[in-house]
Amino acid sequence: QITLKESGPTLVRPTETLTLTCNFSGFSLSNFGMGVGWIRQPPGKALQWLALIYWDDDVRHSPSLKNRLSVTKDTSKNHVVLTLTNMGPVDTATYFCARSVTTGSFDYWGPGSLVTVS
Amino acid sequence: HSELTQPPSVSGAPRQRVTISCSGSSSNIGNNGVTWYQQLPGQAPKVLIYYDDRRPSGGSDRFSGSKSGTSASLAISGLQSEDEADYYCGAWDDGLNGPVFGGGTKLAVL
Repeated sequence: QITLKESGPTLVRPTETLTLTCNFSGFSLSNFGMGVGWIRQPPGKALQWLALIYWDDDVRHSPSLKNRLSVTKDTSKNHVVLTLTNMGPVDTATYFCARSVTTGSFDYWGPGSLVTVS
Repeated sequence: HSELTQPPSVSGAPRQRVTISCSGSSSNIGNNGVTWYQQLPGQAPKVLIYYDDRRPSGGSDRFSGSKSGTSASLAISGLQSEDEADYYCGAWDDGLNGPVFGGGTKLAVL
Protein backbone atom coordinates (compact mmCIF):
# COMPACT_ATOMS: atom_id res chain seq x y z
CA GLN A 1 0.00 0.00 0.00
CA ILE A 2 1.39 3.35 -1.06
CA THR A 3 0.95 6.28 1.29
CA LEU A 4 2.39 9.75 1.64
CA LYS A 5 1.89 12.25 4.43
CA GLU A 6 3.02 15.81 4.90
CA SER A 7 4.06 17.21 8.27
CA GLY A 8 5.25 20.55 9.50
CA PRO A 9 4.07 23.79 11.08
CA THR A 10 0.54 25.03 10.50
CA LEU A 11 1.46 28.65 11.20
CA VAL A 12 4.51 30.52 9.97
CA ARG A 13 5.35 34.16 10.50
CA PRO A 14 6.25 36.44 7.58
CA THR A 15 9.92 36.25 6.54
CA GLU A 16 10.36 32.89 8.31
CA THR A 17 11.43 29.70 6.58
CA LEU A 18 8.97 26.84 6.08
CA THR A 19 10.19 23.28 6.38
CA LEU A 20 7.82 20.49 5.43
CA THR A 21 8.51 16.78 5.47
CA CYS A 22 6.87 14.19 3.28
CA ASN A 23 7.01 10.73 4.80
CA PHE A 24 6.10 7.96 2.40
CA SER A 25 5.78 4.19 2.36
CA GLY A 26 5.07 1.45 -0.14
CA PHE A 27 7.71 2.49 -2.65
CA SER A 28 11.38 3.39 -2.77
CA LEU A 29 12.76 6.67 -4.04
CA SER A 30 15.90 4.82 -5.08
CA ASN A 31 14.04 2.95 -7.83
CA PHE A 32 14.63 4.00 -11.42
CA GLY A 33 12.19 6.64 -12.62
CA MET A 34 10.67 7.37 -9.23
CA GLY A 35 10.02 10.92 -8.10
CA VAL A 36 8.29 12.86 -5.34
CA GLY A 37 6.83 16.26 -6.03
CA TRP A 38 5.46 19.16 -4.02
CA ILE A 39 2.31 20.95 -5.11
CA ARG A 40 0.45 23.67 -3.25
CA GLN A 41 -3.06 25.06 -3.40
CA PRO A 42 -3.96 28.46 -1.96
CA PRO A 43 -7.46 28.52 -0.43
CA GLY A 44 -10.06 28.40 -3.18
CA LYS A 45 -7.44 28.45 -5.92
CA ALA A 46 -5.78 26.09 -8.37
CA LEU A 47 -2.95 23.62 -7.94
CA GLN A 48 0.55 25.02 -8.34
CA TRP A 49 3.58 22.81 -8.89
CA LEU A 50 6.58 23.70 -6.72
CA ALA A 51 9.31 21.09 -7.09
CA LEU A 52 10.13 17.53 -8.04
CA ILE A 53 13.01 15.34 -6.86
CA TYR A 54 13.95 12.13 -8.63
CA TRP A 55 15.57 8.84 -7.70
CA ASP A 56 18.89 10.03 -9.14
CA ASP A 57 18.89 13.31 -7.14
CA ASP A 58 17.81 15.33 -10.16
CA VAL A 59 15.71 18.24 -8.85
CA ARG A 60 13.35 20.47 -10.79
CA HIS A 61 11.95 23.71 -9.37
CA SER A 62 9.21 26.06 -10.41
CA PRO A 63 11.05 29.04 -11.93
CA SER A 64 8.89 31.48 -9.99
CA LEU A 65 10.09 30.06 -6.67
CA LYS A 66 13.48 28.67 -7.59
CA ASN A 67 15.45 31.16 -5.51
CA ARG A 68 13.46 30.37 -2.36
CA LEU A 69 12.99 26.61 -2.72
CA SER A 70 15.07 23.61 -1.90
CA VAL A 71 14.17 19.92 -1.85
CA THR A 72 16.18 17.07 -0.42
CA LYS A 73 15.57 13.37 0.05
CA ASP A 74 16.65 10.71 2.47
CA THR A 75 16.10 7.39 0.79
CA SER A 76 16.94 5.38 3.90
CA LYS A 77 14.29 7.22 5.92
CA ASN A 78 11.75 7.35 3.10
CA HIS A 79 11.21 11.05 3.30
CA VAL A 80 11.54 14.21 1.25
CA VAL A 81 11.99 17.66 2.78
CA LEU A 82 10.81 20.93 1.25
CA THR A 83 12.25 24.24 2.42
CA LEU A 84 10.75 27.56 1.38
CA THR A 85 12.43 30.71 2.60
CA ASN A 86 11.10 34.21 3.20
CA MET A 87 7.48 33.18 3.61
CA GLY A 88 4.79 35.74 2.92
CA PRO A 89 0.98 35.85 3.08
CA VAL A 90 0.74 34.74 -0.56
CA ASP A 91 2.39 31.46 0.45
CA THR A 92 -0.62 30.52 2.59
CA ALA A 93 -1.79 27.28 1.05
CA THR A 94 -2.33 23.58 1.48
CA TYR A 95 0.93 21.86 0.60
CA PHE A 96 0.75 18.39 -0.95
CA CYS A 97 3.46 15.87 -1.68
CA ALA A 98 2.79 13.29 -4.35
CA ARG A 99 4.52 10.41 -6.12
CA SER A 100 5.51 10.68 -9.75
CA VAL A 101 6.32 7.64 -11.87
CA THR A 102 5.38 9.00 -15.25
CA THR A 103 6.47 12.34 -16.63
CA GLY A 104 4.22 15.11 -15.42
CA SER A 105 1.77 12.88 -13.59
CA PHE A 106 1.26 12.33 -9.86
CA ASP A 107 -0.44 9.05 -9.03
CA TYR A 108 -0.51 9.05 -5.23
CA TRP A 109 -0.99 12.11 -3.03
CA GLY A 110 -0.69 12.91 0.63
CA PRO A 111 -3.72 14.42 2.39
CA GLY A 112 -2.11 17.86 2.41
CA SER A 113 -0.91 20.22 5.10
CA LEU A 114 -2.43 23.67 5.49
CA VAL A 115 0.19 26.31 6.19
CA THR A 116 -0.92 29.80 7.14
CA VAL A 117 1.44 32.75 7.02
CA SER A 118 0.46 35.38 9.53
CA HIS B 1 -1.82 32.34 -14.43
CA SER B 2 -2.08 28.67 -15.37
CA GLU B 3 -0.25 27.26 -18.35
CA LEU B 4 -3.26 25.13 -19.23
CA THR B 5 -6.68 26.71 -19.77
CA GLN B 6 -9.89 25.18 -18.47
CA PRO B 7 -13.42 26.59 -18.20
CA PRO B 8 -14.10 27.75 -14.62
CA SER B 9 -17.30 25.76 -14.37
CA VAL B 10 -19.54 23.25 -16.11
CA SER B 11 -22.85 21.77 -15.10
CA GLY B 12 -25.19 18.98 -16.07
CA ALA B 13 -28.21 17.10 -14.91
CA PRO B 14 -28.04 13.60 -13.41
CA ARG B 15 -27.45 10.87 -16.01
CA GLN B 16 -26.29 13.43 -18.59
CA ARG B 17 -22.84 13.63 -20.17
CA VAL B 18 -20.52 16.60 -19.80
CA THR B 19 -17.09 17.43 -21.16
CA ILE B 20 -14.33 19.56 -19.71
CA SER B 21 -11.76 21.04 -22.04
CA CYS B 22 -8.09 21.75 -21.41
CA SER B 23 -6.15 23.92 -23.82
CA GLY B 24 -2.37 24.10 -23.88
CA SER B 25 0.50 24.47 -26.30
CA SER B 26 3.06 22.49 -28.24
CA SER B 27 5.41 22.51 -25.23
CA ASN B 28 2.96 20.71 -22.97
CA ILE B 29 -0.18 18.97 -24.25
CA GLY B 30 1.07 18.90 -27.82
CA ASN B 31 4.14 16.90 -26.87
CA ASN B 32 3.32 15.12 -23.61
CA GLY B 33 0.65 13.03 -21.98
CA VAL B 34 -2.29 14.61 -20.17
CA THR B 35 -3.48 13.63 -16.72
CA TRP B 36 -6.91 14.44 -15.33
CA TYR B 37 -7.49 14.75 -11.58
CA GLN B 38 -10.65 14.88 -9.53
CA GLN B 39 -10.56 16.83 -6.28
CA LEU B 40 -13.49 16.33 -3.94
CA PRO B 41 -14.05 19.05 -1.33
CA GLY B 42 -11.41 18.96 1.38
CA GLN B 43 -9.49 16.11 -0.24
CA ALA B 44 -6.33 15.61 -2.22
CA PRO B 45 -6.53 15.23 -6.01
CA LYS B 46 -7.05 11.76 -7.42
CA VAL B 47 -6.04 10.53 -10.85
CA LEU B 48 -8.94 9.79 -13.20
CA ILE B 49 -7.06 9.60 -16.51
CA TYR B 50 -3.37 9.45 -17.39
CA TYR B 51 -1.44 9.29 -20.67
CA ASP B 52 -4.35 11.14 -22.33
CA ASP B 53 -6.90 8.34 -22.22
CA ARG B 54 -5.86 5.59 -19.83
CA ARG B 55 -7.79 4.80 -16.66
CA PRO B 56 -6.07 3.63 -13.48
CA SER B 57 -6.81 0.13 -12.36
CA GLY B 58 -10.23 0.12 -10.74
CA GLY B 59 -11.15 3.48 -12.22
CA SER B 60 -14.72 4.19 -13.30
CA ASP B 61 -15.47 3.79 -17.02
CA ARG B 62 -17.82 6.76 -16.77
CA PHE B 63 -14.70 8.90 -17.12
CA SER B 64 -12.85 9.05 -20.43
CA GLY B 65 -10.11 11.22 -21.86
CA SER B 66 -9.13 12.31 -25.34
CA LYS B 67 -6.59 14.58 -26.95
CA SER B 68 -6.18 16.34 -30.26
CA GLY B 69 -3.19 18.53 -30.98
CA THR B 70 -2.73 20.95 -28.11
CA SER B 71 -6.12 20.37 -26.49
CA ALA B 72 -7.52 17.62 -24.32
CA SER B 73 -10.95 16.75 -22.99
CA LEU B 74 -12.41 14.83 -20.11
CA ALA B 75 -15.86 13.34 -20.61
CA ILE B 76 -18.06 12.26 -17.73
CA SER B 77 -21.10 10.18 -18.62
CA GLY B 78 -24.04 9.18 -16.46
CA LEU B 79 -23.57 12.14 -14.15
CA GLN B 80 -24.05 11.46 -10.46
CA SER B 81 -24.27 13.82 -7.53
CA GLU B 82 -21.02 12.45 -6.17
CA ASP B 83 -19.24 13.71 -9.29
CA GLU B 84 -19.55 17.26 -7.96
CA ALA B 85 -15.92 18.24 -7.56
CA ASP B 86 -13.09 20.27 -9.04
CA TYR B 87 -11.34 18.77 -12.05
CA TYR B 88 -7.79 19.60 -13.09
CA CYS B 89 -5.77 18.73 -16.15
CA GLY B 90 -2.00 18.45 -15.98
CA ALA B 91 0.89 17.81 -18.31
CA TRP B 92 4.67 18.06 -18.45
CA ASP B 93 5.88 21.30 -19.97
CA ASP B 94 9.14 21.08 -21.92
CA GLY B 95 9.82 24.81 -21.61
CA LEU B 96 9.16 24.94 -17.88
CA ASN B 97 10.95 21.60 -17.46
CA GLY B 98 8.28 20.61 -14.99
CA PRO B 99 4.57 19.80 -14.75
CA VAL B 100 1.84 22.37 -15.26
CA PHE B 101 -1.79 22.33 -14.17
CA GLY B 102 -4.92 23.88 -15.50
CA GLY B 103 -6.88 26.43 -13.47
CA GLY B 104 -9.48 23.83 -12.54
CA THR B 105 -13.13 23.34 -13.48
CA LYS B 106 -15.91 23.10 -10.93
CA LEU B 107 -18.58 20.61 -11.90
CA ALA B 108 -22.10 21.14 -10.63
CA VAL B 109 -24.69 18.38 -10.92
CA LEU B 110 -28.02 20.15 -11.13
